[in-house]
Amino acid sequence: RKEVEQDPGPFNVPEGATVAFNCTYSNSASQSFFWYRQDCRKEPKLLMSVYSSGNEDGRFTAQLNRASQYISLLIRDSKLSDSATYLCVVNGAGQGGKLIFGQGTELSVKP
Amino acid sequence: GAGVSQTPSNKVTEKGKYVELRCDPISGHTALYWYRQSLGQGPEFLIYFQGTGAADDSGLPNDRFFAVRPEGSVSTLKIQRTERGDSAVYLCASSLYHYEQYFGPGTRLTVT
Repeated sequence: RKEVEQDPGPFNVPEGATVAFNCTYSNSASQSFFWYRQDCRKEPKLLMSVYSSGNEDGRFTAQLNRASQYISLLIRDSKLSDSATYLCVVNGAGQGGKLIFGQGTELSVKP
Repeated sequence: GAGVSQTPSNKVTEKGKYVELRCDPISGHTALYWYRQSLGQGPEFLIYFQGTGAADDSGLPNDRFFAVRPEGSVSTLKIQRTERGDSAVYLCASSLYHYEQYFGPGTRLTVT
């Protein structure tokens, strides 16, 4: 079983739609959670951290459920520029900032 | 300011050859990470440096892979006796605080 699991998609949605991505993680000791965005043939970039209380950044809302080991990302009012792969990320075991990435969920926003 | 840079951007090599991939982190970032990303997958952790020392090399797949960071800045990932399965994008990231990692554009390695 992968440490971080995501539905690879693709999710094809029209502009203006609301779309939600989910992810589960296996290590109950994980303490830090993130969503990264990766455009085609580009490097991953931090989209937002995910906190237990949930957090929002403009059209993006992230939620964490520690009991279920589940993380979500909600994108409201989708834009064409939101088309990318969204990577669910948790910190790895041990010292340091090792990150464990999910496979990524591909989003395509159509006009 | 300048971000993380990686050279070369593309490398094609023959099976069995030796390759070196270079990473130049953001100035002042003490932590440096190497990841490997295969097509359709998320990045996979290889090794983490804090300063000059490798603090965690648990992700290196075997002893053909080695990385150094002799002066605590630039790092080189070295792969001996390359195999076709080593073909991937090798990503470097640096950070001042553990989890705010900034990635370079990667080196696309193709082993023929």
